[in-house]
Amino acid sequence: QKEVEQNSGPLSVPEGAIASLNCTYSDRGSQSFFWYRQYSGKSPELIMFIYSNGDKEDGRFTAQLNKASQYVSLLIRDSQPSDSATYLCAVDKLIFGQGTTLQVKP
Amino acid sequence: DTGVSQDPRHKITKRGQNVTFRCDPISEHNRLYWYRQTLGQGPEFLTYFQNEAQLEKSRLLSDRFSAERPKGSFSTLEIQRTEQGDSAMYLCASRQTGTAYNEQFFGPGTRLTVL
Repeated sequence: QKEVEQNSGPLSVPEGAIASLNCTYSDRGSQSFFWYRQYSGKSPELIMFIYSNGDKEDGRFTAQLNKASQYVSLLIRDSQPSDSATYLCAVDKLIFGQGTTLQVKP
Repeated sequence: DTGVSQDPRHKITKRGQNVTFRCDPISEHNRLYWYRQTLGQGPEFLTYFQNEAQLEKSRLLSDRFSAERPKGSFSTLEIQRTEQGDSAMYLCASRQTGTAYNEQFFGPGTRLTVL
């Protein structure tokens, strides 16, 4: 079992819709969780981090953490074509999932 | 530009040759990480330094790989006797521990192609 699992996608949503990206992790003792965005040919850039159960909002982005279910998600509201990228979930010392490719269609 | 630089950006080499990559982190950052990323995969952790001390190495880091951070500033990653399976993007990242905002900043990467 991989330590951090994501559906590779692609996830396709229309412009203006909510995109929901999901991630599960295997280490129940994990403490910190990160979402990175990576455009094709570029390096990952941090979007959000979350340490506590519940929701954390930053602009159009909301990270949700459920430690009991070992599940973390990222919601992107009012999706824009510029949000089209690969979204990487990472845990603790930055063990990354394989990423989910998001396509936002105009 | 995150402030983390890597050199070279691209490297093409023949199988069996040695290659060395350099990473210059953000100057005040005490932690420096190396990752490897292949197409369609997330970055895989290789090793990290706190100042000049190498604190952890992944099982992925075979004995052909060696990394140094001699003065706690820049770091080098050397691959000896390269194999085609070493072809990947090698990413460096840095961060400062003890800050509330625990962001890790990535460099642009070095893309290695082994022929």
